[in-house]
Amino acid sequence: DIQMTQSPSSLSASVGDRVTITCRASQGIRHYLAWFQQKPGKAPKSLIYGASSLQSGVPSKFSGSGSGTDFTLTISSLQPEDFATYYCQQYYTYPWTFGRGTKVEFK
Amino acid sequence: QVHLQESGPGLVKPSETLSLTCTVSGGSISPYYWNWVRQPPGKELEWIGYVYHSGTTNYNPSLKSRVTMSVDSSKNQFSLKLSSVTAADTAVYYCARATGPKWDLPYFDSWGQGTLVTVSS
Repeated sequence: DIQMTQSPSSLSASVGDRVTITCRASQGIRHYLAWFQQKPGKAPKSLIYGASSLQSGVPSKFSGSGSGTDFTLTISSLQPEDFATYYCQQYYTYPWTFGRGTKVEFK
Repeated sequence: QVHLQESGPGLVKPSETLSLTCTVSGGSISPYYWNWVRQPPGKELEWIGYVYHSGTTNYNPSLKSRVTMSVDSSKNQFSLKLSSVTAADTAVYYCARATGPKWDLPYFDSWGQGTLVTVSS
């Protein structure tokens, strides 16, 4: 199975901050990388697919980049509704696998 | 806007079979991949597998011997059966849709709200 490693596991930030989360795959996955946002007690919300393509309705403050093994999710200006846990997921090979998540907390 | 809703027992006894159904509204079963993903309390997400609208399945090898998925297009539903459950199967179970062009790999785009299933006697 492909292992997905996210860093950091948690971070503290303030409203208006630019936040970057990284995700590394244990082997190359081309651009087949997705990002999700999950708030406590809620279902994951799909944010990005194909490493950099925004899902319909997702605001442009979210952006993704990367290819191969190294990927990033950036939130350009953190807002109160963005405090959540973010997961990456590879869908290049089966079984699809997720990272352990990065919790974005209020500083 | 498609809506997915999980349903099924919230409590299952050890060694029994967990059965869940996901009802799809606001969209068609075709031509999508219908997935189950679970999340044990406080832990990360785990992909269980999918059933394609045609009935073709693909399961996570770690669960393959215990998993059965099926789709009922006439009811706009798909289902999960997980046999011989133990406490380790206690989790929130999500149904989710994966989509994408035929010439490329499918990706998640819509999720159900999730349902907690506890395995306990």
